[in-house]
Amino acid sequence: QITLKESGPTLAKPTQTLTLTCTFSGFSLNTSAVGVGWIRQPPGKALEWLALIYWNDEKRYSPSLKSRLTITKDTSKNQVVLTMTNMDPVDTATYYCAHRPRFGSEVNFDYWGQGTLVTVSS
Amino acid sequence: SYELTQPPSVSVSPGQTASITCSGDKLGDKYVCWYQQKPGQSPVLVIYQDAKRPSGIPERFSGSNSGNTATLTISGTQAMDEADYYCQAWDSSTVVFGGGTKLTVL
Repeated sequence: QITLKESGPTLAKPTQTLTLTCTFSGFSLNTSAVGVGWIRQPPGKALEWLALIYWNDEKRYSPSLKSRLTITKDTSKNQVVLTMTNMDPVDTATYYCAHRPRFGSEVNFDYWGQGTLVTVSS
Repeated sequence: SYELTQPPSVSVSPGQTASITCSGDKLGDKYVCWYQQKPGQSPVLVIYQDAKRPSGIPERFSGSNSGNTATLTISGTQAMDEADYYCQAWDSSTVVFGGGTKLTVL
């Protein structure tokens, strides 16, 4: 059974760097083609993809946020970490991590975490 | 950057067929998936690779993709299907989501 859970601060101040951790079970990031992605959703708004890391450490970022994002993995801990610099109130959102299955050339997310709400305010 | 366009809202009567569209340039050349999101819950994958259903997704959910438009179809819509639906594609090594469609079952 695949599960993912996001953790990190619920409140961030403007200009700060946000660090979120996704802890997962039921799969390994050593398995070919598997990936973990981060997606966010501002209150009442649409989903927005942020970043994706593959089993082989290849990384993909949203072009509009690439300069602010870093995604890394710790396979031994079954964790994926996302950092976002220079936080702003518009970054207030629920942040999700999700599992990218190993089949197919495209990317979709078949298991999602429960999400964590991050509020950016001074 | 690539964009996917969805209608903001769709209404359907119980038992009828609901169709939600997702438009993008040459979308038929890409794989599309669809997510269902109910209030306060995480998204759930209901269709992947245009028309395949993950295990546990009811048969009333189906998908198609051709030309510039992908369509999610819900046959025999039930009250429990009321939710936001998002299409998603993979383009130039980036994930793109549509703006979402609120399905109301009247």
